[in-house]
Amino acid sequence: AAGVIQSPRHLIKEKRETATLKCYPIPRHDTVYWYQQGPGQDPQFLISFYEKMQSDKGSIPDRFSAQQFSDYHSELNMSSLELGDSALYFCASSLRNPTGELFFGEGSRLTVL
Amino acid sequence: QKEVEQNSGPLSVPEGAIASLNCTYSDRGSQSFFWYRQYSGKSPELIMFIYSNGDKEDGRFTAQLNKASQYVSLLIRDSQPSDSATYLCAVTGNQFYFGTGTSLTVIP
Repeated sequence: AAGVIQSPRHLIKEKRETATLKCYPIPRHDTVYWYQQGPGQDPQFLISFYEKMQSDKGSIPDRFSAQQFSDYHSELNMSSLELGDSALYFCASSLRNPTGELFFGEGSRLTVL
Repeated sequence: QKEVEQNSGPLSVPEGAIASLNCTYSDRGSQSFFWYRQYSGKSPELIMFIYSNGDKEDGRFTAQLNKASQYVSLLIRDSQPSDSATYLCAVTGNQFYFGTGTSLTVIP
């Protein structure tokens, strides 16, 4: 069965550079979530989209933005990167209903030098 | 106060024993409850979900939900070394909230 696809899997950037992460949800899933997970931390919710519209916003820095496109894939854009942005970034998708479980992609590991 | 609280552990159990993982949540309106397993550097993997009060069993795993006490637990019977991982409790309210995770080590 198709899973959530994330790219790139690994990314190395310098401080103050920009980075873009991509996420392709499970087919027919209508909701996409982005999470940031630092070493030894639980996943921190950044932002979510339902039917291509932003639905919830968590602890996403102003330097970050995200959108969901007509084909339901989503991109997380990160600018003016800081050392503290180094983390695993997970995308997850679900069918929007109160009981919908999240299915995670394998994550994109961002390292900021 | 976080939406979802878990003991961070680490929790160590011998192989073959029962591992008990606990989670409390603050939003009484929460509707769905999930347990995810996460190996280091990997993405969270759904283990169990439960929506109604009581117990739900799936193989060696049993999820228990008590909405009155705002408490959800995961029991792992006949623990195996491959069960060693971080277990994340998650609860849906307005958002999908994760606990900080409990690190479990099963000692051969």
